[in-house]
Amino acid sequence: EAQVTQNPRYLITVTGKKLTVTCSQNMNHEYMSWYRQDPGLGLRQIYYSMNVEVTDKGDVPEGYKVSRKEKRNFPLILESPSPNQTSLYFCASSLSIAGGSDTQYFGPGTRLTVL
Amino acid sequence: AQSVTQLDSHVSVSEGTPVLLRCNYSSSYSPSLFWYVQHPNKGLQLLLKYTSAATLVKGINGFEAEFKKSETSFHLTKPSAHMSDAAEYFCVVSSPYNTDKLIFGTGTRLQVFP
Repeated sequence: EAQVTQNPRYLITVTGKKLTVTCSQNMNHEYMSWYRQDPGLGLRQIYYSMNVEVTDKGDVPEGYKVSRKEKRNFPLILESPSPNQTSLYFCASSLSIAGGSDTQYFGPGTRLTVL
Repeated sequence: AQSVTQLDSHVSVSEGTPVLLRCNYSSSYSPSLFWYVQHPNKGLQLLLKYTSAATLVKGINGFEAEFKKSETSFHLTKPSAHMSDAAEYFCVVSSPYNTDKLIFGTGTRLQVFP
C-alpha cells in the first residue's frame, strides 16, 4: 500500500531533550516536506527536500533540522525542543514538485508536546 | 508572491443542504490550486486540484470547485452535504514559477448537523 508513515504518532517530552520524528514513504517520491499545524494558522512548511542530499528551509525552520540521506526517509530533528514547538507535525511527499501541480501525500501526523 | 485566504473559519450546514467553502488567492502568475480535507485525527487528503485545464474541477465525494480568474477565487461546493463531510478543509496555492512551495490557507471547519 502506498503510504507515508510517521513515528511516533504521539510524543510528550521535556524542554531541551533532543528528539527525532521519522518519516518514510514507499512511493519513490522525490519531494518530501515537513509541516507544522497550529490552530488558526493552517499548515506552515518547516523544511523540504527536492531529492537526496538536497534540503531547504521553509517558512518556519528555526529550531529544526532535517536530513535526506535516502530517498525514502526524511527525519525531523529537534536538537533542543522548547514549549513553542508543541504542535501537530505532518510529513508529506510528492512525485515531483516541478510545476507546482503535484499531489501531496500526507502522513498521519505526530502530536508533539514539549513541557 | 502567492497567498491564499479562506474567508470562513467555520461553516455549519444541515445534512442535505448545499456546501460552500470560500477561498481567494493572490498570485503573480497562473497558479495551481488545491483543496485538501482533513478528517479528525487524520492526515490531509487531496479533494481536487486545478492546474490550468478546465476551470470547473470535479473532485472526490461529490465536491467541485470553480477557478475564476477575474475574481481570484476557487470556492469549493457540494450540492448536498453528508454527515461524513464534517472535517477541516484547506485551500492551497502554488506557482509554476516558485515550484518549491505550497501556501496553505488557515482552514475552514465544516460542521454538518442532522
